[in-house]
Amino acid sequence: DAKTTQPNSMESNEEEPVHLPCNHSTISGTDYIHWYRQLPSQGPEYVIHGLTSNVNNRMASLAIAEDRKSSTLILHRATLRDAAVYYCILRANAGGTSYGKLTFGQGTILTVHP
Amino acid sequence: KAGVTQTPRYLIKTRGQQVTLSCSPISGHRSVSWYQQTPGQGLQFLFEYFSETQRNKGNFPGRFSGRQFSNSRSEMNVSTLELGDSALYLCASSLAAGGTYNEQFFGPGTRLTVL
Repeated sequence: DAKTTQPNSMESNEEEPVHLPCNHSTISGTDYIHWYRQLPSQGPEYVIHGLTSNVNNRMASLAIAEDRKSSTLILHRATLRDAAVYYCILRANAGGTSYGKLTFGQGTILTVHP
Repeated sequence: KAGVTQTPRYLIKTRGQQVTLSCSPISGHRSVSWYQQTPGQGLQFLFEYFSETQRNKGNFPGRFSGRQFSNSRSEMNVSTLELGDSALYLCASSLAAGGTYNEQFFGPGTRLTVL
């Protein structure tokens, strides 16, 4: 599986935007970029995913670099409930041998200050 | 719709014993994956089942095994427990096997402590 690199930790203030970066320089052309987050004492939860174009959903936005070697998860207005570990994960295209496997890195610990 | 449920939530065992953990996926989901989470190694993939067949396996010793039943419920078993098996074991379900568009839904996990 292609590797991702994320900062160990980031801090933000409540109601401010947060930009969480992820580097994936060895991404293949068919790898999708997924983001999951894990709130304290919970299992991970899906946040967003994309292939080439920027994506938006109710939780966040995903900005993907034109060369796809990096991406940024954007939380538009951080709340205290967004404090979590955020994981950037590459998943092979459907039909590949990775199937449901998610390869988690160490992730970024996001701290949100009131 | 009910989420992924895992039982038991907490478990204490001693070295050498075996343990069975259970996972009930979201209704309609046919794929179940298992992960181990420890402070040192983070989240690591154990295996995935789809339609009662193991489709993918992580790099764990043979002491770790699993199975899936016809109703998609899954169990994982760890035999001859070691201290290093103490971890949070997470189960995740998704609609179908593989596919990059298949969001995985995680359960709350089973906290296993081996003494």
